[in-house]
Amino acid sequence: EAQVTQNPRYLITVTGKKLTVTCSQNMNHEYMSWYRQDPGLGLRQIYYSMNVEVTDKGDVPEGYKVSRKEKRNFPLILESPSPNQTSLYFCASSLSRGGGGYTFGSGTRLTVV
Amino acid sequence: GQNIDQPTEMTATEGAIVQINCTYQTSGFNGLFWYQQHAGEAPTFLSYNVLDGLEEKGRFSSFLSRSKGYSYLLLKELQMKDSASYLCAVRLLKAAGNKLTFGGGTRVLVKP
Repeated sequence: EAQVTQNPRYLITVTGKKLTVTCSQNMNHEYMSWYRQDPGLGLRQIYYSMNVEVTDKGDVPEGYKVSRKEKRNFPLILESPSPNQTSLYFCASSLSRGGGGYTFGSGTRLTVV
Repeated sequence: GQNIDQPTEMTATEGAIVQINCTYQTSGFNGLFWYQQHAGEAPTFLSYNVLDGLEEKGRFSSFLSRSKGYSYLLLKELQMKDSASYLCAVRLLKAAGNKLTFGGGTRVLVKP
């Protein structure tokens, strides 16, 4: 089944403790992206990647890191999480062109206390 | 920068029609998408417009006017399960590649 797999689905952590949210897609998509979704603010892009070893900042990249060492994986790293990073996170992937749109992962609900 | 506007909330009756408008101001327009999102779940793709006109897919239709920076999503024969948020997203052609930017979403409540 074609899908984007995110883990974990839920995570509660403490301020300053490094964490990684994994994202993997099995559709051979070139393009992958991370979004956070907060009430009243909609989906905001954190980072995106056009292909292996090609990444760029989105609209809200501060406090996050990403890497794209393989085409299928695009992990999101929070080196020192803070409470303002409490949010619902989505990974998404797509072909680089065409009208197929993004396929989204199921989401990761992160709480930083 | 880019600005994508859509109403925050709409209410409609089961069996009726609802039209959700989306206006955008962007540079480098390269397509407009509509997504449906149920509470706490991932957005799912509904439609894509890159040329002016109407695209119809069953009960859902989407319209685009590039000169006006305007799109709408039309939901016909509303069902209770259509209660969800509907997200308008614009794809921009950037030097680094395509970028998809979302509006704030329109929450649609379908009443019996």
